[in-house]
Amino acid sequence: DTAVSQTPKYLVTQMGNDKSIKCEQNLGHDTMYWYKQDSKKFLKIMFSYNNKELIINETVPNRFSPKSPDKAHLNLHINSLELGDSAVYFCASSQEERISLSSYNEQFFGPGTRLTVL
Amino acid sequence: AQTVTQSQPEMSVQEAETVTLSCTYDTSESDYYLFWYKQPPSRQMILVIRQEAYKQQNATENRFSVNFQKAAKSFSLKISDSQLGDAAMYFCAYGAANAGGTSYGKLTFGQGTILTVHP
Repeated sequence: DTAVSQTPKYLVTQMGNDKSIKCEQNLGHDTMYWYKQDSKKFLKIMFSYNNKELIINETVPNRFSPKSPDKAHLNLHINSLELGDSAVYFCASSQEERISLSSYNEQFFGPGTRLTVL
Repeated sequence: AQTVTQSQPEMSVQEAETVTLSCTYDTSESDYYLFWYKQPPSRQMILVIRQEAYKQQNATENRFSVNFQKAAKSFSLKISDSQLGDAAMYFCAYGAANAGGTSYGKLTFGQGTILTVHP
C-alpha cells in the first residue's frame, strides 16, 4: 500500500515525442505537486494543485501540462520532448495542518520517474 | 523570493561519529517552516526533521537534531552516532507557512550535500 506512487519509474524516449507520467496518492491529501530534479540533483517545484485547482505554476514551458482528474491523481503530460527535459520527476502530496496561526504541510514524495530523452 | 543555500557539496564522517550539515536561507517572511530531507541512492525523498520558525526550541528526532538560528537565518543538521545507512544526499528546504496565495505549499530546496559514512 504505497502512499504516493508514480508510473512509470523509468521512461526512455526520443526527442519530439509526447509522454505522460502518472501520479496517485492514497493518503487522502488535498494538495499534489510536481518537482523536477535535474542532472545536478537540484530540485525545483513545477506545479501544485489543491482540490483539482492549479495553485502554483512556476516558469515551466507550456509543453508541460498537468492534469488532475480528481484530488487523488495528478498526471504530467509533456509535449514535444527536448533533450533538456531529461531529469527525475517527483510527485508529492500534502494535507494542510493548522498549527496555531500558521499552517504546515509535510510533503510525501513518490519514488520519482527518471525520464531520458534521446 | 526565498533562497536556500547549502555550502557543503560533500561531507564525510566516520561511523559512530557526529557530523553537521550547514544550511542558510533568505526570506522576508516571519512565519515559515524548515525541513531536512534525505535522498538515498534509491532516490526516495524521506523527511528527516522539521522546524517551525515560531518555535525557539530546536527540533530533535532520535539521532538527528537541528541548530536553528532565526536571526542568522541558519538551519544546520547534526547527525549523532552516524550509521552506514545515513549515507545519502541531504536537502535543506524552506516552506511558507501561510495558506493561500501562490507560494502556498511551495518548498524551496538547497543544492544538497552528499554525506559519505566510512566504516
